[in-house]
Amino acid sequence: QVQLVESGGGVVQPGRSLRLSCAASGFTFSNYGMHWVRQAPGKGLEWVAVISFDGSNRYYADSVKGRFTVSRDNSKNTLYLQMNSLRAEDTAVYYCAKGGLVVFEEIDYWGQGTLVTVSS
Amino acid sequence: QSVLTQPPSVSGAPGQRVTISCTGSSSNIGAGYDVYWYQQLPGTAPKLLIYDNSNRPSGVPDRFSGSKSGTSASLAITGLQAEDEADYYCQSYDSVSGGVFGGGTKLTVL
Repeated sequence: QVQLVESGGGVVQPGRSLRLSCAASGFTFSNYGMHWVRQAPGKGLEWVAVISFDGSNRYYADSVKGRFTVSRDNSKNTLYLQMNSLRAEDTAVYYCAKGGLVVFEEIDYWGQGTLVTVSS
Repeated sequence: QSVLTQPPSVSGAPGQRVTISCTGSSSNIGAGYDVYWYQQLPGTAPKLLIYDNSNRPSGVPDRFSGSKSGTSASLAITGLQAEDEADYYCQSYDSVSGGVFGGGTKLTVL
């Protein structure tokens, strides 16, 4: 069965960096686009970024463009999110999620999320 | 302010039918991008409920159905049950913004 396990969350000061990882199993990771979606405490879902199956195409929400970078290592079945210049408004649970064969398709499986808290 | 607009809350009694609307624009739903619906039970990750506007993944009861017309979409739930109480989100793609979600709708089963 599909499993997505996020790690790397924690408390970080404003302006600092953090890298999230997502270990995938139960499907052929290298065939699918992968997303990051976040949810601030008590708020709704916000799409963050998507990367194509081979890493050749990446798209970002305006709120993180230029600060966050999504990448993947298909040899390790792992998705990453490098987050730089963090702000208080980046505080959220970050979900790793499996997409479709092309980037703009449904998100059909979600991890349990990892909490990132940006605070001094 | 979400790109896709949903009502903040809906409610219904057990056995009744409720609908949740999702209104977009010509750069997302109206541009031909498909609509997806997710259910998020309290304290859990979202779960895919409807894909490609009106299709149900295996295991999703046929009490849930989706439709799309023009720049809007809707989710209908018939035969409401207590376990349907959750937050529901629509999602699509936008030619300018990439992935976009609605603000979410809290369903209360009375």
